[in-house]
Amino acid sequence: KQEVTQIPAALSVPEGENLVLNCSFTDSAIYNLQWFRQDPGKGLTSLLLIQSSQREQTSGRLNASLDKSSGRSTLYIAASQPGDSATYLCAVRPDSSYKLIFGSGTRLLVRP
Amino acid sequence: GAVVSQHPSWVICKSGTSVKIECRSLDFQATTMFWYRQFPKQSLMLMATSNEGSKATYEQGVEKDKFLINHASLTLSTLTVTSAHPEDSSFYICSAEVTGTSSYEQYFGPGTRLTVT
Repeated sequence: KQEVTQIPAALSVPEGENLVLNCSFTDSAIYNLQWFRQDPGKGLTSLLLIQSSQREQTSGRLNASLDKSSGRSTLYIAASQPGDSATYLCAVRPDSSYKLIFGSGTRLLVRP
Repeated sequence: GAVVSQHPSWVICKSGTSVKIECRSLDFQATTMFWYRQFPKQSLMLMATSNEGSKATYEQGVEKDKFLINHASLTLSTLTVTSAHPEDSSFYICSAEVTGTSSYEQYFGPGTRLTVT
């Protein structure tokens, strides 16, 4: 059974700092992995989608990497800003399923 | 592109009544839509998978007679919470998968906050 873990559960950093959020999954047989952002009381915004054949994806200050064999993904945020404060969720889509399996999220606070 | 809307964004209803939540893909077709439930400070829990023109597939432990799902077109899925009780109060989020691509990327709606009094 696929399980997704995100560490740390919460993170507080000063503005301008570069930071890394971690996501690990127990079964490497995945089709893709997505990183999402969720603001309080809101839905999910897709940040990056990495297909299983890809190693990384970049969008602006965000870079997501995928190491399928070791069951790990990282989301790198460069030059963090207070507006980056949110909960970040990663989710994997197993090869054998159409469902997304979510981690419990990392709550990020970027202090001005 | 790839925008998903939900209506209403929040609703308060009395115990015993039914509430319908709509999920629409605004600029793409979605053969498959998903309904999630989220409790405060917790991650999303998949409730059911909605396929256009066929019956929904419910996750284990989700009562199909309580949470009625209809996916009548390629852009609309509805979730009806029947005979709502206070324990049904939650944040309900839908997502839609773009039809005809191999990426299987899901796009999420803004969520509906349901409060049952």
